Amino acid sequence: NAGVTQTPKFQVLKTGQSMTLQCAQDMNHNSMYWYRQDPGMGLRLIYYSASEGTTDKGEVPNGYNVSRLNKREFSLRLESAAPSQTSVYFCASAQSSYNEQFFGPGTRLTVL
Amino acid sequence: EDQVTQSPEALRLQEGESSSLNCSYTVSGLRGLFWYRQDPGKGPEFLFTLYSAGEEKEKERLKATLTKKESFLHITAPKPEDSATYLCAVDSGGYQKVTFGTGTKLQVIP
Repeated sequence: NAGVTQTPKFQVLKTGQSMTLQCAQDMNHNSMYWYRQDPGMGLRLIYYSASEGTTDKGEVPNGYNVSRLNKREFSLRLESAAPSQTSVYFCASAQSSYNEQFFGPGTRLTVL
Repeated sequence: EDQVTQSPEALRLQEGESSSLNCSYTVSGLRGLFWYRQDPGKGPEFLFTLYSAGEEKEKERLKATLTKKESFLHITAPKPEDSATYLCAVDSGGYQKVTFGTGTKLQVIP
């Protein structure tokens, strides 16, 4: 039982490049989330998926897109990376939006 | 807009020196308050959920309490392995889903 897994662990991009962050959970959870964590800012919600087939914007969605591929997988795409997107990205899952969230180990992204 | 404020930002304790971390919140209607622990370079790890004022939960040296305006995480006789950043989050059911505070970084010195 791996919980929530994220790939890659580290990534360096140049401005304008694109990439997809992958997230998978094996807990049969319905809800999945993408956050970014920046110093002094706390965790901020980018996008979430309350259930398979649905996605909604969070607090900071600009510059990102998501895909809920199936119940297990929720990916985050940066179409044209900008230095302001340098951050640590966490994926999380929960049984439902009422329940505690379980987090992955994070992806450390640097955009030059 | 939901707001969560944690204090202090950082706390340094001697091993065995008990203390409390504070989480003050402003929400339209509280569905739940969560405490997480985050170690450097790792994702947050769930500790507790509190749902209503007066509720308390314990786990080893940690005890979380909740009032209508704030929550406390009490740490009794801490050990160096309790060193971490402790995050508080509130769920009001709004579009932001869960709002996180910026955390309290706890260091326990042997």
